[in-house]
Amino acid sequence: NAGVTQTPKFRVLKTGQSMTLLCAQDMNHEYMYWYRQDPGMGLRLIHYSVGEGTTAKGEVPDGYNVSRLKKQNFLLGLESAAPSQTSVYFCASSYSRQGGYEQYFGPGTRLTVT
Amino acid sequence: KQEVTQIPAALSVPEGENLVLNCSFTDSAIYNLQWFRQDPGKGLTSLLLIQSSQREQTSGRLNASLDKSSGRSTLYIAASQPGDSATYLCAVSRDAGNNRKLIWGLGTSLAVNP
Repeated sequence: NAGVTQTPKFRVLKTGQSMTLLCAQDMNHEYMYWYRQDPGMGLRLIHYSVGEGTTAKGEVPDGYNVSRLKKQNFLLGLESAAPSQTSVYFCASSYSRQGGYEQYFGPGTRLTVT
Repeated sequence: KQEVTQIPAALSVPEGENLVLNCSFTDSAIYNLQWFRQDPGKGLTSLLLIQSSQREQTSGRLNASLDKSSGRSTLYIAASQPGDSATYLCAVSRDAGNNRKLIWGLGTSLAVNP
């Protein structure tokens, strides 16, 4: 059981380039999330999905797009990267349990935009 | 607007000491509160989830308490070990209909010295 995996682990982009981050989970979770983590800012939710074929905006969605074509995968796209998108990106997934949604995190992708 | 604060930002203790990490939140209308651990360069691991109707949860040497009325939670770590060194984050969810969205603190960086 691999849990939540993310690819790539590291990436350097030039301003204006595009890329896609892939998140995969093998726990059959309905919910999936993309966060970014920046020093002094904490974790912020970019987009999330409550099921296959659905997506919704989080706190900081601008400049990002997502897709959930398969239940186990959640893709985060940057169409035109900007230096402000330099961050560590975390994917998470969760199931429904009594009292709330316990989230399971991937190891993160460190992205630098120059 | 819900805000989550964790004090102290950093803590260094000798091995074997019992310690308490603090988390406070401004809006008592929460659905649950979660404590996570983050190791350097790694993703987050869920430690404990406390439902709003509960007062505490325990897992091994960890005990988390919740006082909604005062907007506080504490994470108690008994007999600390060097392996406990990590950043500990707390996060609250707002309500049952929207509890997939977590509001995060900035974390407490813990160093346990041999």
